Amino acid sequence: DAGVTQSPTHLIKTRGQQVTLRCSPKSGHDTVSWYQQALGQGPQFIFQYYEEEERQRGNFPDRFSGHQFPNYSSELNVNALLLGDSALYLCASSLGWQEKNIQYFGAGTRLSVL
Amino acid sequence: GQSLEQPSEVTAVEGAIVQINCTYQTSGFYGLSWYQQHDGGAPTFLSYNGLDGLEETGRFSSFLSRSDSYGYLLLQELQMKDSASYFCAVRDPGANNLFFGTGTRLTVIP
Repeated sequence: DAGVTQSPTHLIKTRGQQVTLRCSPKSGHDTVSWYQQALGQGPQFIFQYYEEEERQRGNFPDRFSGHQFPNYSSELNVNALLLGDSALYLCASSLGWQEKNIQYFGAGTRLSVL
Repeated sequence: GQSLEQPSEVTAVEGAIVQINCTYQTSGFYGLSWYQQHDGGAPTFLSYNGLDGLEETGRFSSFLSRSDSYGYLLLQELQMKDSASYFCAVRDPGANNLFFGTGTRLTVIP
């Protein structure tokens, strides 16, 4: 049973560029969430997709956008990259609404903006 | 808004017991979760408390007191592999995502 997979594992971009990160959820999961984790900090919620729609959004600018495909996989797009966007981007999948709300995380994409 | 407070670092000896505390302020409470993250790895779910009291899973236990807005993670019989960051997290009100604390870095020494 494959867990959550993310690609690429590492990425280097320059300021002003655009980036797309990809995520495949755990088998059977229909909900994908994206988090940004700065060094030494906890994951910070960006947004969540369910049934191909953005359902919740954290405190991130519109430069951050996403998409969910019919097979539940998801993309995170970041436009006009800033130095401060350098972080580990984590994808998490879950199944519907459950009390424990267990999130299954991928190993992340390390984005460096130069 | 939401806020979670945890100690930033804890050091403990192999074989010992360590407790990592978490105090929270939330606009609505839907349970307290704990996640472990090794350096370079993915956060992984450890434990969840929806009601007051102790939940035990092997060497790990988690406690919640809703009246005190407080919880802790207890790690027993510490092993070197337990060296990692530990995060408490709460559910955002009416949502399906998690709000994480800043994490506690646990170092286990021989």
